[in-house]
Amino acid sequence: QSVLTQPPSASGTPGQRVTISCSGSSSNIGSKAVNWYQQLPGTAPKLLIYNNNQRPSGVPDRFSGSKSGTSASLAISGLQSEDEADYYCAAWDDSLNGPVFGGGTKLTVL
Amino acid sequence: QVQLVESGGGVVHPERSLRLSCAASRFTFSNFPMHWVRQAPGKGLEWVAIMSSDGSNKYYADSVKGRFTISRDNSKNTLYLQMNSLRAEDTAVYYCARSPSSSWSRLDYWGQGTLVTVSS
Repeated sequence: QSVLTQPPSASGTPGQRVTISCSGSSSNIGSKAVNWYQQLPGTAPKLLIYNNNQRPSGVPDRFSGSKSGTSASLAISGLQSEDEADYYCAAWDDSLNGPVFGGGTKLTVL
Repeated sequence: QVQLVESGGGVVHPERSLRLSCAASRFTFSNFPMHWVRQAPGKGLEWVAIMSSDGSNKYYADSVKGRFTISRDNSKNTLYLQMNSLRAEDTAVYYCARSPSSSWSRLDYWGQGTLVTVSS
């Protein structure tokens, strides 16, 4: 049982816009920045979005993040086949003194 | 480009010990807090432990507290995870990851991981 709640799966067709939600509480998302990670099949996770909506260098602007209250969202526009991956939200949790992760969302590009 | 290379994984019997290493290069290791994160087969990510850049602060997930110890040797640019009293549920790929000193929650670079299998 993950501290942050994500839908287990999402899907879309090439070119579509897909959103993935992440729900937490006041001790994590409600008071801390949200980060998103992309894990392509068989590889290590990679930072995709940080500080709720910032993209590291090299991440396409098709990826965007937002936060409101104790929830956050990742949006992927212009969906491409190479976006097929697992996506994880995460945020620091003061009660844990460490980051907590969502259970992950497996994105399928149909 | 930042490089993190984990090693030390393998098959170990329950209740035995194992030490993982993470060799860092191409950045000033002593300036960055470091994490261990694990991923059980077919499961999601689970944070394990964090150590501050100078080693003065460290925190653990409840699931490993009292059994695992994170440490670092800044002179060798290496992060460690000493794992004692291993259980079957500790079976996972273990990743080391870096955080900027300004944001411990942001894991901006990850290693490729090392697999630990706890089995009799």
